[in-house]
Amino acid sequence: DQQVKQNSPSLSVQEGRISILNCDYTNSMFDYFLWYKKYPAEGPTFLISISSIKDKNEDGRFTVFLNKSAKHLSLHIVPSQPGDSAVYFCAASARGNNRLAFGKGNQVVVIP
Amino acid sequence: DAGVIQSPRHEVTEMGQEVTLRCKPISGHDYLFWYRQTMMRGLELLIYFNNNVPIDDSGMPEDRFSAKMPNASFSTLKIQPSEPRDSAVYFCASSLRGSGTGGGYTFGSGTRLTVV
Repeated sequence: DQQVKQNSPSLSVQEGRISILNCDYTNSMFDYFLWYKKYPAEGPTFLISISSIKDKNEDGRFTVFLNKSAKHLSLHIVPSQPGDSAVYFCAASARGNNRLAFGKGNQVVVIP
Repeated sequence: DAGVIQSPRHEVTEMGQEVTLRCKPISGHDYLFWYRQTMMRGLELLIYFNNNVPIDDSGMPEDRFSAKMPNASFSTLKIQPSEPRDSAVYFCASSLRGSGTGGGYTFGSGTRLTVV
């Protein structure tokens, strides 16, 4: 049972424009959410996170928004750069549970 | 620190053979996780350890899979006998104090397993 869902598996965006990735979750116990970025032949690397006590966290060009009532989060990349072309994974964990549940990932292609 | 180190990077084996994947976590990290990535299921947790002790192995698909962590700096994931449906990328990850802090896990580069 997929507790973290990422639809629209691929996204193409022009360089300089905004990339928006969406993630939905089903487990109401999740209280910490992360986005990972993965290049081919490499492991996922941490990008940005957000705690359930916040609804927004920003780090440079990356912003994560959390809507707890909708069990939905999104990642905004502005402006998109060719180096952002990668697979992005959404992940979540519940307090007291040390395991991360991952979505299937979204492929982002930034066109120069 | 060199990060999480996995070996081999690629493994091609024949059905029925034993396969052993290896992982060296980041020094000082007390959690170690084994994940498997496939197109159909994405990243799925197989097993994780805390202070070398297996905590949750509910994701291990079958008895053919086993994992050990004999000390804080080494873990193995073994498949015996291997089957073509085991073909996937296997990731090892480590973290300090589990997933709820900071940047979560640090992943290795993965082992791409192909069973023919």
